[in-house]
Amino acid sequence: AQTVTQSQPEMSVQEAETVTLSCTYDTSESDYYLFWYKQPPSRQMILVIRQEAYKQQNATENRFSVNFQKAAKSFSLKISDSQLGDAAMYFCAYSGGSNYKLTFGKGTLLTVNP
Amino acid sequence: SQTIHQWPATLVQPVGSPLSLECTVEGTSNPNLYWYRQAAGRGLQLLFYSIGIDQISSEVPQNLSASRPQDRQFILSSKKLLLSDSGFYLCVMTRDRGYGYTFGSGTRLTVV
Repeated sequence: AQTVTQSQPEMSVQEAETVTLSCTYDTSESDYYLFWYKQPPSRQMILVIRQEAYKQQNATENRFSVNFQKAAKSFSLKISDSQLGDAAMYFCAYSGGSNYKLTFGKGTLLTVNP
Repeated sequence: SQTIHQWPATLVQPVGSPLSLECTVEGTSNPNLYWYRQAAGRGLQLLFYSIGIDQISSEVPQNLSASRPQDRQFILSSKKLLLSDSGFYLCVMTRDRGYGYTFGSGTRLTVV
């Protein structure tokens, strides 16, 4: 079974600084997707960034970028120029197999200090 | 665009009472549908998923059940709620994970 591990239950960063959230996963599949989701206090899940396993180039969305290391099964999220609005719970998620199930990590609670 | 309507937003139910949470999809057909539960301070656990009408797969044995009577309707039920059923329940859908997943707004269930 696929597993996703987020080893940092909580992280904090100063406003305007950079922070990296860690994620590792375990799979025997070769075709899969990886996601980072943001969950603010409203609990509405917001897609931050998506990476397709067959693409070697790391995905980037404005201030958010990933470091995808397929051989190491690592998928970290870097947030640059952190803003107060970035404070939230962040989930790393894996999707593989024909039924497209999403497997989530336990989340990292990010605090942004002014 | 694809949207999920999930209701109710909040529910307080006594132990032993029945449960019915409903989720309906708009803007697409034949989606894959999922029910997740998020306990306080924890990640999201997959409970059930469905790839078509009346096709339900259970991930975790428990006193909950799911049904999909129509293509765009997914229902989570229980005959008798337990205290441990409290949590935040999310309905999720996808047609093609390359296009991503759509999340409902969730139901916060408190069993008292």
